[in-house]
Amino acid sequence: NAGVTQTPKFRVLKTGQSMTLLCAQDMNHEYMYWYRQDPGMGLRLIHYSVGEGTTAKGEVPDGYNVSRLKKQNFLLGLESAAPSQTSVYFCASTHSGANYGYTFGSGTRLTVV
Amino acid sequence: AQSVTQLDSHVSVSEGTPVLLRCNYSSSYSPSLFWYVQHPNKGLQLLLKYTSAATLVKGINGFEAEFKKSETSFHLTKPSAHMSDAAEYFCVVSQYNQGGKLIFGQGTELSVKP
Repeated sequence: NAGVTQTPKFRVLKTGQSMTLLCAQDMNHEYMYWYRQDPGMGLRLIHYSVGEGTTAKGEVPDGYNVSRLKKQNFLLGLESAAPSQTSVYFCASTHSGANYGYTFGSGTRLTVV
Repeated sequence: AQSVTQLDSHVSVSEGTPVLLRCNYSSSYSPSLFWYVQHPNKGLQLLLKYTSAATLVKGINGFEAEFKKSETSFHLTKPSAHMSDAAEYFCVVSQYNQGGKLIFGQGTELSVKP
């Protein structure tokens, strides 16, 4: 059981470069989320999706774009990376409705220099 | 809007003594509440969750939490701390009627002294 897989696990970018983070889940979950974790701030929601072809903004969406072309994949893009986007990124997924558990990926550590 | 406040950014206890990590929530309806733990450079692990069943919730590794609606609290406790409990703990509320979004508290770092 793979659960939620994030790739890559580590990445160093130069300011202005672009990249895509991939989140893949094999549990047929409808809902998927991208969070960023920064010291002292907990995890903050960037974007989320409630189904294939849908996306919505979270708490801190600026500088990021997302796509959910396939139900199992949720991509997070940085078009022009900035040092403020240095963070650890977590993907999560769950079934729709209340009382289901959430599965988190192991995280992607991104450094923008 | 829902929110979560963890009342202590850092808690230090001695091994074998009780642990109390405090969490208050704000919600306009009956919430689902969670506690997650994160060990250094690791991912998130679910400790326990409350979903409107029993108000005293038992989790893994001897942790438990009590949902108190009148106090809007969901404090995490453990009778006896182990060195391996040293980690960061997050209190989380779910907005299940808004795409199931999880709202995280800022985290409490637990240190355990020998």
